Amino acid sequence: KQEVTQIPAALSVPEGENLVLNCSFTDSAIYNLQWFRQDPGKGLTSLLLIQSSQREQTSGRLNASLDKSSGRSTLYIAASQPGDSATYLCAVNGYGQNFVFGPGTRLSVLP
Amino acid sequence: DTAVSQTPKYLVTQMGNDKSIKCEQNLGHDTMYWYKQDSKKFLKIMFSYNNKELIINETVPNRFSPKSPDKAHLNLHINSLELGDSAVYFCASSQGAGLAKNIQYFGAGTRLSVL
Repeated sequence: KQEVTQIPAALSVPEGENLVLNCSFTDSAIYNLQWFRQDPGKGLTSLLLIQSSQREQTSGRLNASLDKSSGRSTLYIAASQPGDSATYLCAVNGYGQNFVFGPGTRLSVLP
Repeated sequence: DTAVSQTPKYLVTQMGNDKSIKCEQNLGHDTMYWYKQDSKKFLKIMFSYNNKELIINETVPNRFSPKSPDKAHLNLHINSLELGDSAVYFCASSQGAGLAKNIQYFGAGTRLSVL
C-alpha cells in the first residue's frame, strides 16, 4: 500500500530565502507525482506534474525533482515571497488511478 | 469562469439526514474524482469516473453514492449521515484516466459538518 510522507510538517522562513520541501513515497511504481498548494478555505492548485520518466520540472521560481528509485521528490522554491505562504501537498499517482496525498507542509514566509 | 465548481461550499446537517454535493467542470475533461480530506489533512480518493463510468471505488461505505448524469458532472449523494462523515470533500477532474499527463484540477471543497 502506497504511503506518502512530507517533511517538514511546517516551515517558517524570512522573505527572500530559498527553501526545499521534501516528499517520500513507499511504492516506486507510479505514473507521476504532482505538487499542489492549498490556501485556507480554497481548493488545491496544481503546481507541477512530473511524469515517472522525468527527473525534474520547472515553473517560474519552482523546481520539482523526482528520484523514483529512492521514492523521493523535492520542491525547491527560490526567492520566497509572502504570497508563497500556503500548505504544499505532494501526491503520487499509481497504477489503477490511485492517487495518494501526503499530509502537506505548511509554509509561512515572513515579510 | 471557474474550472471545477462545487456546491455548496458549506453544509451543516443533522445525523441521519441525506444530502448531496454537486460538482461541475467546464474543462471538457473525461475523468472526475471525489476526495475526502480528513481531520489530519490527508486527502484520500473515494471515487473516480471516466466518461460517466465508475473506474475507482475505494473502500467507502455504500451510503456514499456518486452519480454522473453527464461527463461534466459528478455529484456525491450521502445517505444516513454519520458524525464521522464530517470532513472536507473535494471534487477534481483531469483530461484522462491512467494517462501520464493527467493533471488534476480541483474544486474549492465542501466542508460538511454533521451534528
